[in-house]
Amino acid sequence: GESVGLHLPTLSVQEGDNSIINCAYSNSASDYFIWYKQESGKGPQFIIDIRSNMDKRQGQRVTVLLNKTVKHLSLQIAATQPGDSAVYFCAENMREYGNKLVFGAGTILRVKS
Amino acid sequence: EAEVAQSPRYKITEKSQAVAFWCDPISGHATLYWYRQILGQGPELLVQFQDESVVDDSQLPKDRFSAERLKGVDSTLKIQPAELGDSAMYLCASSLGLAAILGETQYFGPGTRLLVL
Repeated sequence: GESVGLHLPTLSVQEGDNSIINCAYSNSASDYFIWYKQESGKGPQFIIDIRSNMDKRQGQRVTVLLNKTVKHLSLQIAATQPGDSAVYFCAENMREYGNKLVFGAGTILRVKS
Repeated sequence: EAEVAQSPRYKITEKSQAVAFWCDPISGHATLYWYRQILGQGPELLVQFQDESVVDDSQLPKDRFSAERLKGVDSTLKIQPAELGDSAMYLCASSLGLAAILGETQYFGPGTRLLVL
């Protein structure tokens, strides 16, 4: 399943499928990006980050892709599990605002068993 | 694993009352952040400290909100008087403190859920 960005805030996928969560960031000067996972009633949890000198970075079951040309960021989760159900936020580091992290509105990921 | 601690986890208060939230960052983290998160939205920065100094409080409603980090370690965020619109999750985060040079990862605490009646 694939979301088309923050305009569709809920993504439902079947357990075991791959998930792709998209994010359109606003500032072409942003040089650092982070994906956070937030479960209900908890604070955001760091998942993976990427700097603007990279196009791709891989972690355990997660991959972040950065397309600076169109200011687009995506998070890919392989073999999605029920424990992946949460809200996912992308955040961009705005250097001209004192390296402030600015968060997007989030995408809800629901994993169906 | 080191974590950011926050208390209380939940707070219910009546409007016009005073409330205070406490945060203890990860040991050794020089930068501390307070965010407000309205349900269904991403966190929004209220105030950022570098050690004991405020480096950004441009989004802090200073007529009713105050924040301090007197010894450069733990921090308190206060609201007085609380208003209905202050109902939200208040998140504290910390980072090593190299953000002046590079963007860096912020680690969040569990948050304080505030309900103003």
